[in-house]
Amino acid sequence: DGGITQSPKYLFRKEGQNVTLSCEQNLNHDAMYWYRQDPGQGLRLIYYSQIVNDFQKGDIAEGYSVSREKKESFPLTVTSAQKNPTAFYLCASSISPGTGWNEQFFGPGTRLTVL
Amino acid sequence: GENVEQHPSTLSVQEGDSAVIKCTYSDSASNYFPWYKQELGKGPQLIIDIRSNVGEKKDQRIAVTLNKTAKHFSLHITETQPEDSAVYFCAALNPRERDSNYQLIWGAGTKLIIKP
Repeated sequence: DGGITQSPKYLFRKEGQNVTLSCEQNLNHDAMYWYRQDPGQGLRLIYYSQIVNDFQKGDIAEGYSVSREKKESFPLTVTSAQKNPTAFYLCASSISPGTGWNEQFFGPGTRLTVL
Repeated sequence: GENVEQHPSTLSVQEGDSAVIKCTYSDSASNYFPWYKQELGKGPQLIIDIRSNVGEKKDQRIAVTLNKTAKHFSLHITETQPEDSAVYFCAALNPRERDSNYQLIWGAGTKLIIKP
């Protein structure tokens, strides 16, 4: 089965702790993305990566970090510097970044709650 | 930068009736407009898209129209069925100011409820 997997589905964290969200794809896609989804708002881009060992900040990158050491993996770390981390996090991938026409395929998401 | 507004936030229609969701965008440089459907507990999935050189596109019960002059585009679902109940997002592809890449700017979403 080809697709994108995110783990865990639910994550609880204490204030002041860093936490890493996993995203893996076996679609052989070059581009990967992290979005944050809050109630009543559209998806907001945190980071994206067009190719291995390269990534760019999105609109709300503060308090987050990423790595892209392998084509199929794009983990997101939510650091203690993120002031309001409780949200639903979505990972996506697309064939190639190019002009952006390509469909983005989404994982099932991780719901992070800070206690 | 680009801003996408989506209306209504909630739409309730009788099964079999049509549903229309509207989005407006602010930047005339936007050139690609996808619609995604998100079911409960899942990630969004592309259902239809349209490019700026086309005014209308149809796929079975789903259609999208684009008015570039007015900067708005709409999703039309006919003969609605219970499985159409979901949250629908519009988006606009816009050139990023900080580099030469493009970015999808998303609407806030519409919760569509199909009443039996």
